[in-house]
Amino acid sequence: GQQLNQSPQSMFIQEGEDVSMNCTSSSIFNTWLWYKQDPGEGPVLLIALYKAGELTSNGRLTAQFGITRKDSFLNISASIPSDVGIYFCAGLPSGAGSYQLTFGKGTKLSVIP
Amino acid sequence: DSGVTQTPKHLITATGQRVTLRCSPRSGDLSVYWYQQSLDQGLQFLIQYYNGEERAKGNILERFSAQQFPDLHSELNLSSLELGDSALYFCASSEGTGSPLHFGNGTRLTVT
Repeated sequence: GQQLNQSPQSMFIQEGEDVSMNCTSSSIFNTWLWYKQDPGEGPVLLIALYKAGELTSNGRLTAQFGITRKDSFLNISASIPSDVGIYFCAGLPSGAGSYQLTFGKGTKLSVIP
Repeated sequence: DSGVTQTPKHLITATGQRVTLRCSPRSGDLSVYWYQQSLDQGLQFLIQYYNGEERAKGNILERFSAQQFPDLHSELNLSSLELGDSALYFCASSEGTGSPLHFGNGTRLTVT
């Protein structure tokens, strides 16, 4: 089945810095989703992308659907302590049911005040 | 708040026992999904139901079963529990095919 390579696995940054993480696949996806999971809670949908090249923002978060349709990027600007958590990318192949959503292994973000 | 409700929040039980996890999807969502998340692991898809019928199966053990009821709530039954079944179990719901999933806050199962 499809596999998503999410990087980096973890990162430590200073408050106020910008963050970048990405997700790549050997397969083409028609939908890319980015989720954030806080400790002890379920993943929360941050951004959904449906078209190659699409750039979508949600506050300080910006995500892009790669032109090749095999990758996606998430950027967080001016990080704050509440950005701490695990960020997951997820991809959905063309015409697939939602059960075929494939998740990356996550990027664990730590913000140093 | 995703609108997906899971109970209980925590479960502690012994090996060999059976437990039932419950999920109420977001209002209007017909699809319910169950995922398992073990320590330092990603989300592993277990099973999906759509409007009461099983739609897809993932890496679900034969000791596990699920169902979706006419009011669309779902239950995940885990039997003959083993230590390795200790994990977070998440329920998610969606409007339909290809729609983003919305997750509940999970049930943390500890098997001792």
